[in-house]
Amino acid sequence: EVQLVESGGGLVQPGGSLRLSCAASGFTFSSSAMSWVRQAPGKGLEWVSAISGSDDAIYYTDSVEGRFTISRDNSKNTLYLQMNSLRAEDTAVYFCARPAALPPNWFDPWGQGTLVTVSS
Amino acid sequence: EIVMTQSPATLSVSPGERATLSCRASQSVSSSLAWYQQKPGQAPRLLISGASTRATGIPARFSGSGSGTEFTLTISSLQSEDFAVYYCQQYNNWPRTFGQGTKVEIK
Repeated sequence: EVQLVESGGGLVQPGGSLRLSCAASGFTFSSSAMSWVRQAPGKGLEWVSAISGSDDAIYYTDSVEGRFTISRDNSKNTLYLQMNSLRAEDTAVYFCARPAALPPNWFDPWGQGTLVTVSS
Repeated sequence: EIVMTQSPATLSVSPGERATLSCRASQSVSSSLAWYQQKPGQAPRLLISGASTRATGIPARFSGSGSGTEFTLTISSLQSEDFAVYYCQQYNNWPRTFGQGTKVEIK
């Protein structure tokens, strides 16, 4: 069974940092592009970032470029999102999801998400 | 950025009835359109890609149609488990963008 499990969310002050993780199982992780998508409380979905299986292609949405860094460790089947200079508007549930290809197209499956709250 | 507009915001439907959800793109996205279902506290689930191709394991009562700027998700006979929020997403242009969602609720 394909499974994605996020962790690392929590409460952080504006300007702070946080690293999210996504543990993958049930598929060949090293061959799969991966992505992060977020959802602010009570709001819709926003694509954040994507990375190729061999991490030679990386994409970011404009609002996080320069502040967030996506990476992966294929030996651990784990995807990461390092988030720096966090802002209140970054408050959201962060989902990891597998795009069918890169540049990212559709996303399937998704993890359950981890909540990031940026507040003083 | 392509803006995806879904209508209606909320759709009240009785079990067994047909539900028709709309998604409009601010410019053509060809057939690069996906639909997702999200239930409270859960992750989104892919229903449709390529505007009309059902994902693995998705029941035949879900169907997608359209191309260019106008798309439709139809649920032919609503079951209790179908009451949820539905999102469309385009992947033809950068950045990938989602609609704001249509909530399908029990009438």
